[in-house]
This record gives sequence, structure tokens and C-alpha cells, in this order.
Amino acid sequence: AAGVIQSPRHLIKEKRETATLKCYPIPRHDTVYWYQQGPGQDPQFLISFYEKMQSDKGSIPDRFSAQQFSDYHSELNMSSLELGDSALYFCASTMGGERSGELFFGEGSRLTVL
Amino acid sequence: AQSVTQPDIHITVSEGASLELRCNYSYGATPYLFWYVQSPGQGLQLLLKYFSGDTLVQGIKGFEAEFKRSQSSFNLRKPSVHWSDAAEYFCAVGPTGNQFYFGTGTSLTVIP
Repeated sequence: AAGVIQSPRHLIKEKRETATLKCYPIPRHDTVYWYQQGPGQDPQFLISFYEKMQSDKGSIPDRFSAQQFSDYHSELNMSSLELGDSALYFCASTMGGERSGELFFGEGSRLTVL
Repeated sequence: AQSVTQPDIHITVSEGASLELRCNYSYGATPYLFWYVQSPGQGLQLLLKYFSGDTLVQGIKGFEAEFKRSQSSFNLRKPSVHWSDAAEYFCAVGPTGNQFYFGTGTSLTVIP
């Protein structure tokens, strides 16, 4: 069965550079969540989208932005990268917004900022 | 406010021994509860979930969890641990609004 696809799986950037992470949800899933997981940390919610609209916002820095496109894939744009942005970024998808049920996670995109 | 607490940061068990990982939640309504497992460098895999009905839920890899509303708990159990079960385990509750809340995780080490 198709799963959540994230790209790239690994990314190395330098401070102050820009990075874009992509997430392709499971077919027919209309809700996407982005999480950031630092080393040894639990996943921290960044932002979510339902039907191409931002549905909730967590601890996402102002330097980051995201959107969900008409095909439901989502992109997380990160600018002015800092060392502390080094983390594993997860995308998860589900159906139907509120009270929708379980999240299906991608394998993550590991960002290293040098 | 909604929250999830996993009191045990790290647990070590011997292979073949039983396992219980604790999870307590704070949630205003009837929660949806989840246990996810994460192997090093990997994504989060769903072990099991509770939405409603029977409070004892069975999951993959021989795991089960019991929802106890009176104790606001959703503890994960396995009768006999295998070396391949060594991983990080996350309890989660949600969605509330559009957020899922994760606990801080419990790292499981299995001794041969």
C-alpha cells in the first residue's frame, strides 16, 4: 500500500541558507501535519493543513512557511537556517480534519545545518 | 490543556520478560489514543490505537494496550519482549483541534 513519501530523505545545508522539504500524503488523504524532532526529543508539532488550508499552527518559527497544494502534497520552506534547525522533519497524513483518526507518518527528512 | 505524560524515560528489560510502558493523558473529551514505535533514524510506526469500544486493544508485533478512563492511562504491554523490540515508544492523543500530542517517549533497551 502507498505510504507517505517525503523528500529529500537527507539534506545538508549551511547556516543562513534555505531548504524546502516535500511531503506526498497517502492517496485520498486531505490532511497533512508537519513535525520537527530534534535529537533525543519527541516530535514537536509545527503546522497542519486540511483541504489546502492551514488548519493549525504549533511551534513553527517565523522563518518557516508551508503550504498544501491542489494535489494535497505539502512543502515546508525553511529560510535563514540556524544550527538549531538540524532535526528530523516528519510529515504525516490522515483523512478528514478534526477527529479524523490515526496519523500515517513518512520516514522523515533529516536536515543537517552546518 | 491537552498533554501526554510518559513517566519512564528509559526502560531496560531482558529478552523474554514482560513489558509495560506507561502513558497518562490529559484530555477534555473522549480521547483517541495511540502508541507509535520509532527505530533509530526511522519514521513512526503505529502499533495500536484506541477510538472507542473494548478498552483492551491489540496491536501489531504482539503488543496490547488498555485504556483506563478512571486513571487517564493507556499503558502498553507485551508478555514477552524480543530483542527487535528495542526502540523508542511514543504515546499520543488526539486530534484536538487539529493537533496530535505526543509524549516525550520511552526508550526501550532489551538485554539478551
